[in-house]
Amino acid sequence: AQRVTQPEKLLSVFKGAPVELKCNYSYSGSPELFWYVQYSRQRLQLLLRHISRESIKGFTADLNKGETSFHLKKPFAQEEDSAMYYCALTMKTSYDKVIFGPGTSLSVIP
Amino acid sequence: DAGVIQSPRHEVTEMGQEVTLRCKPISGHDYLFWYRQTMMRGLELLIYFNNNVPIDDSGMPEDRFSAKMPNASFSTLKIQPSEPRDSAVYFCASSPIDRRGHYEQFFGPGTRLTVL
Repeated sequence: AQRVTQPEKLLSVFKGAPVELKCNYSYSGSPELFWYVQYSRQRLQLLLRHISRESIKGFTADLNKGETSFHLKKPFAQEEDSAMYYCALTMKTSYDKVIFGPGTSLSVIP
Repeated sequence: DAGVIQSPRHEVTEMGQEVTLRCKPISGHDYLFWYRQTMMRGLELLIYFNNNVPIDDSGMPEDRFSAKMPNASFSTLKIQPSEPRDSAVYFCASSPIDRRGHYEQFFGPGTRLTVL
């Protein structure tokens, strides 16, 4: 079955330190991977998608098919990065459905 | 555009009562999704619609849960009877159609449900 795992429920880093939020998936086909973010008192929103190969708010994520991972990285964490981050997967055989991971709560300590 | 609209934003009810959550998707979006968010289980997909038709309701936990989409601009999620373990934040999301999978889900603000 298709599944997305995020091993860390909580992650705390100091401001200016590098941050990496881990995401692994299980899917036998070619997935489309996304990162969604939920800031305090705001709606869940798309942060970035792997097909775009873009950097958003300093975050990047590389799809590693060999390791079935899609870790989210930022070289220097900012306080405003504190939020809940969800890794998500869409299957090419079923574009409609998005499977979300359990989420990682990132806290950036000033 | 106000985005996806959900009502009520907060609902407190007693066990056994019927609860109806409402959602207005973004105009022109073909897909509508209902999710439940809890600390223990994260974000769970309950059901989703395409052009008002339910496509996958395998995430609906029990027969006590039902969802409808009578038209393109309105959907409801009903819990009857409600139980304390239904307490969660319920999100509605909508998405435009893109068969390549290059789409984005737009989420509503959520309804925080507390069942006493």
